[in-house]
Amino acid sequence: DAGITQSPRHKVTETGTPVTLRCHQTENHRYMYWYRQDPGHGLRLIHYSYGVKDTDKGEVSDGYSVSRSKTEDFLLTLESATSSQTSVYFCAISERQTQNTEAFFGQGTRLTVV
Amino acid sequence: AQSVTQLDSQVPVFEEAPVELRCNYSSSVSVYLFWYVQYPNQGLQLLLKYLSGSTLVKGINGFEAEFNKSQTSFHLRKPSVHISDTAEYFCAVSDPILNSGYSTLTFGKGTMLLVSP
Repeated sequence: DAGITQSPRHKVTETGTPVTLRCHQTENHRYMYWYRQDPGHGLRLIHYSYGVKDTDKGEVSDGYSVSRSKTEDFLLTLESATSSQTSVYFCAISERQTQNTEAFFGQGTRLTVV
Repeated sequence: AQSVTQLDSQVPVFEEAPVELRCNYSSSVSVYLFWYVQYPNQGLQLLLKYLSGSTLVKGINGFEAEFNKSQTSFHLRKPSVHISDTAEYFCAVSDPILNSGYSTLTFGKGTMLLVSP
């Protein structure tokens, strides 16, 4: 299994509070991604990173920000959580970002915003 | 941007029966396709991938998929399923980001395979 650790694994938070999810990898892969998984929507890309301090937006980036200060860590922040951000969040990594490269996924973080 | 359509949200099947999970993608000059499996309360695990070459791709756990360019399909099959194959299956396509040289994965909405005794 790829060395990807997401923390926390579960979190309940109140509307309007800031939340940070962490993804830590031990594979030294350059590329990292945050996806959210919702019933009926599959996985949708939130943000991705192609190196330290290099990030870009994905399909559903509104309300989210990311940071990558070290190769091994990719943080996802909800500045002011809303109920629509209740979801399961997955971090993924890949060694290359060419089209023929698969991604490896973490175990997920289940976030509930009440 | 690429897109992926998984036509069935749920597929019930009896143990030891064959199964096919359908996936269609939007056409492109070159395409790279993946199937992932997600067991309950776990992350996604790669089942198989099509990059080039033979259109029949074999993966883990006895699964295989056939790439059909004319039908823009990449259906997943298993000749005899087990209870332990109960999981959600996601088809994904590599999606190039314009003018960047990078690509990400675009996923279908998933198909829940329910295997009963």
